[in-house]
Amino acid sequence: QVQLVQSGAEVKKPGASVRVSCKASGYTFSGYYLHWVRQAPGLGLEWVGWINSKSGGTNCAQRFQGWVTMTRDTSISTAYMELRRLKSDDTAVYYCASGKRADTEFDYWGQGTLVTVSS
Amino acid sequence: QSALTQPASVSGSPGQSITISCTGTSSDVGSYSVVSWYQQHPGKAPKLIIYEVDERPSGLSNRFSGSKSGNTASLTISGLQAEDEADYYCCSYAGRSTWVFGGGTKVTVL
Repeated sequence: QVQLVQSGAEVKKPGASVRVSCKASGYTFSGYYLHWVRQAPGLGLEWVGWINSKSGGTNCAQRFQGWVTMTRDTSISTAYMELRRLKSDDTAVYYCASGKRADTEFDYWGQGTLVTVSS
Repeated sequence: QSALTQPASVSGSPGQSITISCTGTSSDVGSYSVVSWYQQHPGKAPKLIIYEVDERPSGLSNRFSGSKSGNTASLTISGLQAEDEADYYCCSYAGRSTWVFGGGTKVTVL
């Protein structure tokens, strides 16, 4: 069955960077897109961006442009999201989710990775 | 992009039907039949329950149904059960390969 397994919780200081990983199994990795969605404590879901697992092409919400980088390693079926210049309001659970194309729903989700930004 | 508008909370008694609205604009909900709904229980990852406005993933209960009219999409849960108590989020394609979520609705089963 399809599984997306994310890396463990992180604690970072303001100004630092963090990289979250998402390892896929149960399907052909390069056949799908991987989206990143975040959820601040007690708040709703916010779409961050996607990566085309086959080509490596990416797209993200305007507010994340310039400080989010999404990459993938097809040899180990893993996608990564790096956030730079972290601020306290970047504290959130970050989810990866798969989609057949950039314009289709998010059908499978990872378990989430809590990133805490605190001095 | 602004978040889609959902009511903060909706409640109902077991067996009743409830409907959650999701209002967007002509740039997202109104322009695309790519609206999906996600159910999220506390401490868990979201789960897809409706896609392409009114389609259900295989194996999902037919108590969940979706619809859309103009800039507003809706999720109806019929025969409300205790296990339906959760947060529900709508999500719409917004063009240029971007997406926008609703603010979420907390469903309480009385």
